[in-house]
Amino acid sequence: GAVVSQHPSWVICKSGTSVKIECRSLDFQATTMFWYRQFPKQSLMLMATSNEGSKATYEQGVEKDKFLINHASLTLSTLTVTSAHPEDSSFYICSGPPAGRVQETQYFGPGTRLLVL
Amino acid sequence: GDSVTQMEGPVTLSEEAFLTINCTYTATGYPSLFWYVQYPGEGLQLLLKATKADDKGSNKGFEATYRKETTSFHLEKGSVQVSDSAVYFCALSPFASGSRLTFGEGTQLTVNP
Repeated sequence: GAVVSQHPSWVICKSGTSVKIECRSLDFQATTMFWYRQFPKQSLMLMATSNEGSKATYEQGVEKDKFLINHASLTLSTLTVTSAHPEDSSFYICSGPPAGRVQETQYFGPGTRLLVL
Repeated sequence: GDSVTQMEGPVTLSEEAFLTINCTYTATGYPSLFWYVQYPGEGLQLLLKATKADDKGSNKGFEATYRKETTSFHLEKGSVQVSDSAVYFCALSPFASGSRLTFGEGTQLTVNP
């Protein structure tokens, strides 16, 4: 199947700093990427949908000024956690369908584990 | 809103045992249903899917049937292997396979030799 990479895979930061997580589709173009958050022993929760060349769509309760999403190209979407706090510690996962194949499937990145001290 | 409920884990089985992981859902309309598997250190992978009532999805010996009357999509395998050890997620999408997903809690499966 197609490959989605995330960088970094692990990040530890101090409270108050910002962290950028990259999600790249390595062998397909994606006009849409989904960002999920997973807390320990809990399900994946959709945070937002990034759209190439336009503003992201955020789920209810997700602070758009705290979780900045940019989808600057057809192969790269980024999530920036601004002024991170310990409660933002979580596992962040991106996924997306190949452009033109939304009816068929989507591919997931391996996830980024964020620990805020 | 849409929701998915999976049986609580973890589940521990011996090799060649029968596996059932229960999944029920709540949704309006006619969602598509999925089972995803996550192996350690890897991204979620689609295991199987069903897009309409009474459809049976199957892959790698796993099966699940879309039961609209009971709003269920239970995962089954007749004989599990050690290599099946992973976390399994039931999910639904109101639209297409490449659209936003609502996930269940995930079930950790461990298969012992």
